[in-house]
Amino acid sequence: IQLTQSPSFLSASVGDRVTITCRASQGISSYLAWYQQKPGKAPKLLIYAASTLQSGVPSRFSGSGSGTEFTLTISSLQPEDFATYYCQQLNSYPVTFGPGTKVDIK
Amino acid sequence: EVQLVESGGGLVQPGRSLRLSCAASGFTFDDYAMHWVRQAPGKGLEWVSGISWNSGSTGYADSVKGRFTISRDNAKNSLYLQMNSLRAEDTALYYCAKGGDSSSSPFDYWGQGTLVTVSS
Repeated sequence: IQLTQSPSFLSASVGDRVTITCRASQGISSYLAWYQQKPGKAPKLLIYAASTLQSGVPSRFSGSGSGTEFTLTISSLQPEDFATYYCQQLNSYPVTFGPGTKVDIK
Repeated sequence: EVQLVESGGGLVQPGRSLRLSCAASGFTFDDYAMHWVRQAPGKGLEWVSGISWNSGSTGYADSVKGRFTISRDNAKNSLYLQMNSLRAEDTALYYCAKGGDSSSSPFDYWGQGTLVTVSS
């Protein structure tokens, strides 16, 4: 199952609302997770089952979608949110990741 | 506190072998699936392999199938990746990641990675 993400890069300001889209090449129900990765660090799980917030993740992060189209929304971008975001499908093996969306400071 | 510590990376010539290890602590290791994920320099994440809690089920990316073997030793709280016939395109940072109690569970903890460089 192939995952595409859009945009691949976005430039935003602190306080902006940011939305990243992930599309699957076939239906994956709600078996989608989102990860955040900062330079030199391991990925961090943000959201799983498409919309469930991982414990300890700020509520400004939210996820939605099912089937083939999913979104990650950051309601008010904070300085610590500048990073690369990846979606991941867990519907079937092999597990696959999207190519990533880099969120940079405008 | 959950900790995953990878080791075993290094510089290796094409065609040679390498064995990665991941030492786990802070959780009941034999309750969870485990995975290896890699990231080539400047690139995105690529799932490499996963193994169920009891080693009864394993999976591999097409890019490593037949060359890499995942295993675990629950008595030692350890995960392994035997990598044979290494290629330049296997050069990457290899992460160990904790899965869940099903194959559809996300990866909730990650190690810091061990770097594998395949070059002559």
